[in-house]
Amino acid sequence: EAQVTQNPRYLITVTGKKLTVTCSQNMNHEYMSWYRQDPGLGLRQIYYSMNVEVTDKGDVPEGYKVSRKEKRNFPLILESPSPNQTSLYFCASSGTSLGVLGPYEQYFGPGTRLTVT
Amino acid sequence: TQLLEQSPQFLSIQEGENLTVYCNSSSVFSSLQWYRQEPGEGPVLLVTVVTGGEVKKLKRLTFQFGDARKDSSLHITAAQPGDTGLYLCAGDRGSTLGRLYFGRGTQLTVWP
Repeated sequence: EAQVTQNPRYLITVTGKKLTVTCSQNMNHEYMSWYRQDPGLGLRQIYYSMNVEVTDKGDVPEGYKVSRKEKRNFPLILESPSPNQTSLYFCASSGTSLGVLGPYEQYFGPGTRLTVT
Repeated sequence: TQLLEQSPQFLSIQEGENLTVYCNSSSVFSSLQWYRQEPGEGPVLLVTVVTGGEVKKLKRLTFQFGDARKDSSLHITAAQPGDTGLYLCAGDRGSTLGRLYFGRGTQLTVWP
């Protein structure tokens, strides 16, 4: 079954304690992204990756790091979490099966609800 | 600044009513996508429109891409409680970056 998986689904942590949210896709997609979703603000892109070892900042990258060492995995790292990073996080992937210029239809993971106290 | 503006932000209607959700921009997109998100889940793709003026139908849902490829609409006929959810539009600007730009969404509630 084609899917994007995220772990953990729920996480409560304290300010400053480093954490990693994992994301994995089994569709051999080139593109992967991380979003955060907050009430009234919609989905905002944090980072995206166009392929292995190629990443770039989205709209709200401050306080986050990513890496893409393998095509299937795209972990999100919070080196020193703060309460303003409390949010619902989604990983997504998309491929180029419809051509290199898109459209890039995204498949989303189930989400990770993070609370930083 | 939001590249795609969705309206209305909230919509609360009775079962059987019709509704339209709008997604507008001053920028041109190579395609526009509509997603639906239910509580506790990730967004799920409903449709992609690619050609200016294109109309696609998915049962009671009709999607239209503006002639200038700057806007799109979603029309639901005879809404049902199962249509309840957050509807998101997302635009692809046709670069090779694979990046999508999302609107803030329309929260639709359909009451029995």
